[in-house]
Amino acid sequence: SQQGEEDPQALSIQEGENATMNCSYKTSINNLQWYRQNSGRGLVHLILIRSNEREKHSGRLRVTLDTSKKSSSLLITASRAADTASYFCATGKFGNEKLTFGTGTRLTIIP
Amino acid sequence: EPEVTQTPSHQVTQMGQEVILRCVPISNHLYFYWYRQILGQKVEFLVSFYNNEISEKSEIFDDQFSVERPDGSNFTLKIRSTKLEDSAMYFCASMTGRTEAFFGQGTRLTVV
Repeated sequence: SQQGEEDPQALSIQEGENATMNCSYKTSINNLQWYRQNSGRGLVHLILIRSNEREKHSGRLRVTLDTSKKSSSLLITASRAADTASYFCATGKFGNEKLTFGTGTRLTIIP
Repeated sequence: EPEVTQTPSHQVTQMGQEVILRCVPISNHLYFYWYRQILGQKVEFLVSFYNNEISEKSEIFDDQFSVERPDGSNFTLKIRSTKLEDSAMYFCASMTGRTEAFFGQGTRLTVV
């Protein structure tokens, strides 16, 4: 598998439910970031977690990082129709180096 | 809130033509990047730029590609002779080096 792979590839849930997406990576990292992309649009930064952090919250978002397992999860609580988008994890080996993106999870929230 | 802006939002070009994609990064950022995303695929790194020179480039960034920071604000990606497979969304990004990367809305390049 490649650096940064999300699962599931696609996820459909009812509005109000929680959505969990996972990301795995292969090499050591400095940080891991999650981005959202609405269809055909730009990448919106959601949250950054550094390698020495285990959990981070931002509004309805909760991100965990397990460096021993080289994995991260993104939890969106109380989902809304507007959360429908593709979600990508991206890893950085150093603070200012390129980001390596995962394959993405396409999330659909059913009203 | 400061943002990265890209122009044009959509460009259609004939195969073999040169295109220049433009980006205005956030003003106090020091690191600049170009990424591309072929339709339905993952976002791929093309090149990073710091201190007026390329700091890293991917295998995709061959001799047909070049980047410039012609003045204090613009950051451009030039494709000299476009191919059909260059059709993609191209994203510019910038960062301070200590926080997240900020991405522009992208330029959709269609080569016909």
